[in-house]
Amino acid sequence: GAGVSQSPSNKVTEKGKDVELRCDPISGHTALYWYRQSLGQGLEFLIYFQGNSAPDKSGLPSDRFSAERTGGSVSTLTIQRTQQEDSAVYLCASRLGPTNTEAFFGQGTRLTVV
Amino acid sequence: QKEVEQNSGPLSVPEGAIASLNCTYSDRVSQSFFWYRQYSGKSPELIMSIYSNGDKEDGRFTAQLNKASQYVSLLIRDSQPSDSATYLCAVNPMGRDDKIIFGKGTRLHILP
Repeated sequence: GAGVSQSPSNKVTEKGKDVELRCDPISGHTALYWYRQSLGQGLEFLIYFQGNSAPDKSGLPSDRFSAERTGGSVSTLTIQRTQQEDSAVYLCASRLGPTNTEAFFGQGTRLTVV
Repeated sequence: QKEVEQNSGPLSVPEGAIASLNCTYSDRVSQSFFWYRQYSGKSPELIMSIYSNGDKEDGRFTAQLNKASQYVSLLIRDSQPSDSATYLCAVNPMGRDDKIIFGKGTRLHILP
């Protein structure tokens, strides 16, 4: 596709429910990143994929968070048993490959847990 | 020590003047450096990338990299009200696979 696509754009869910956030990277981009941005805060790194593997999962806040990527393309971030503190904008970015290439962001998914 | 540091601002600059945004990083062997602009309620937009020491110019924007001093800066010439946004510095440390680390951003306000 022309750019990074994330869905849904907005998600309101009840506390305790599970949610899935989707990211469709730019075609041919092998690296994919997930970040979280709370209101008025900076970007918090969650996880990144090189192909289908995730070399660095250090940013996942708890074991309620998981992510996968299949076919070296679409990625899904799953949050189980959502809590109010999970409310934030979840941003996905993709990158052509290794160092010295640029990363481009999708429009984000705004998650609100009520 | 924070890996990527920026002054949070706000930085107020008169319209038409030069805005100077600075960023320092802790990983001495970092390889790739990026500046993103983020408008309120929007996702970050890539402005500049720089990979080697010196200056890189693109229109009204100039990125400057000094690896020995571990800082990277962004200059915006002829500042416009539309430049008012938060500017994020990002660093790709060497040996950290492809992880990209962001600073918390500097809020820039261009005064009409």
